[in-house]
Amino acid sequence: DSGVTQTPKHLITATGQRVTLRCSPRSGDLSVYWYQQSLDQGLQFLIQYYNGEERAKGNILERFSAQQFPDLHSELNLSSLELGDSALYFCASSVEDSGVQETQYFGPGTRLLVL
Amino acid sequence: GENVEQHPSTLSVQEGDSAVIKCTYSDSASNYFPWYKQELGKRPQLIIDIRSNVGEKKDQRIAVTLNKTAKHFSLHITETQPEDSAVYFCAASIRNTGNQFYFGTGTSLTVIP
Repeated sequence: DSGVTQTPKHLITATGQRVTLRCSPRSGDLSVYWYQQSLDQGLQFLIQYYNGEERAKGNILERFSAQQFPDLHSELNLSSLELGDSALYFCASSVEDSGVQETQYFGPGTRLLVL
Repeated sequence: GENVEQHPSTLSVQEGDSAVIKCTYSDSASNYFPWYKQELGKRPQLIIDIRSNVGEKKDQRIAVTLNKTAKHFSLHITETQPEDSAVYFCAASIRNTGNQFYFGTGTSLTVIP
């Protein structure tokens, strides 16, 4: 168990809908990262938050948005869902405060299926 | 941005043999290289990492080597066991305004008993 939690574990929804994925980082970690993993695909970085502020952006669609709250949990919002959004969504966290790169610890993921 | 290539995409070895997975990166500013193991349907788990000021690191049956000049790094697993079967991902990271990891496309390792 990495200490990173994600809810829900599974989500089934229809095209055009909106969903929210939730992530709680490890205790003490200030940074949260969101990744998308499609079938037979690697891990695509979406976005990073550090202590409530957006720190880095990857290949995140405009239909997707995220935020990090004062208690450091984060939510990833996916709207106007398309079939191609079906994937595993991982959240990871790291300390990100020591001046060197820190290991990222991954949560168990949320499996999204868009029908 | 950084581009990480990983080879091979699939690898089958006999139990007890060694497995080697290779990654190359494009940005010479990358200075942190973690390796993750992902079993089917599970989370990626860190198995070993190396920083750019080190050429090699070992942890029991697992080792990672880094060649900064050639911009490549490799994962070596010795005395493979069936439980080593999984997908392995390499990554590179540049310390700038964030700690973003650029992942390779993964290697599916099968250890045949």
